[in-house]
Amino acid sequence: GAVVSQHPSWVICKSGTSVKIECRSLDFQATTMFWYRQFPKQSLMLMATSNEGSKATYEQGVEKDKFLINHASLTLSTLTVTSAHPEDSSFYICSARGGKWNTGELFFGEGSRLTVL
Amino acid sequence: DAKTTQPPSMDCAEGRAANLPCNHSTISGNEYVYWYRQIHSQGPQYIIHGLKNNETNEMASLIITEDRKSSTLILPHATLRDTAVYYCIVRGPAGANNLFFGTGTRLTVIP
Repeated sequence: GAVVSQHPSWVICKSGTSVKIECRSLDFQATTMFWYRQFPKQSLMLMATSNEGSKATYEQGVEKDKFLINHASLTLSTLTVTSAHPEDSSFYICSARGGKWNTGELFFGEGSRLTVL
Repeated sequence: DAKTTQPPSMDCAEGRAANLPCNHSTISGNEYVYWYRQIHSQGPQYIIHGLKNNETNEMASLIITEDRKSSTLILPHATLRDTAVYYCIVRGPAGANNLFFGTGTRLTVIP
């Protein structure tokens, strides 16, 4: 299947700092990427939809000024957690729709675990 | 997207078939059934999907009832590495929107 890669896989930061997470589609172009957040022992919750060349669409309750999403190219979307606080500690996962055959399946990155001290 | 209902947990003996049920009684005619799994601290992995016919690939088989209100994911010979949370998701036509994850079924394969 198609490959989606995230970086970093884990990051620890101090409260008040900003953290950027990258999501790349390695072998296909992804016009749309999705960002999820997962707290321990909970399911994935969609945060926002990232569209190449346009503004992201955020789910209700997700602060767009806190979770900045940039999708500047067809293979890269970034999520920046600004002024991170301990309650932002979570597992962040991106996904992309596409693949060589563009059959519509969503492929997921490995996830990025953020710990805010 | 239609809501799905799955048992919260299941056990399966290693080497035996694991049958994971999913109810999606409100599924509409153009909605697909997708299965993903998530091994601890990893991103979800695509397993299989189908519309109304049974499907099989190298990982699993998907059996969809004739009325499409339920389905079963079958792992024919479960291994310890199949221990994961399995999500059944109903979604519109290919290319439509993203995936909404429910709580899934935590499958534990027992030696």
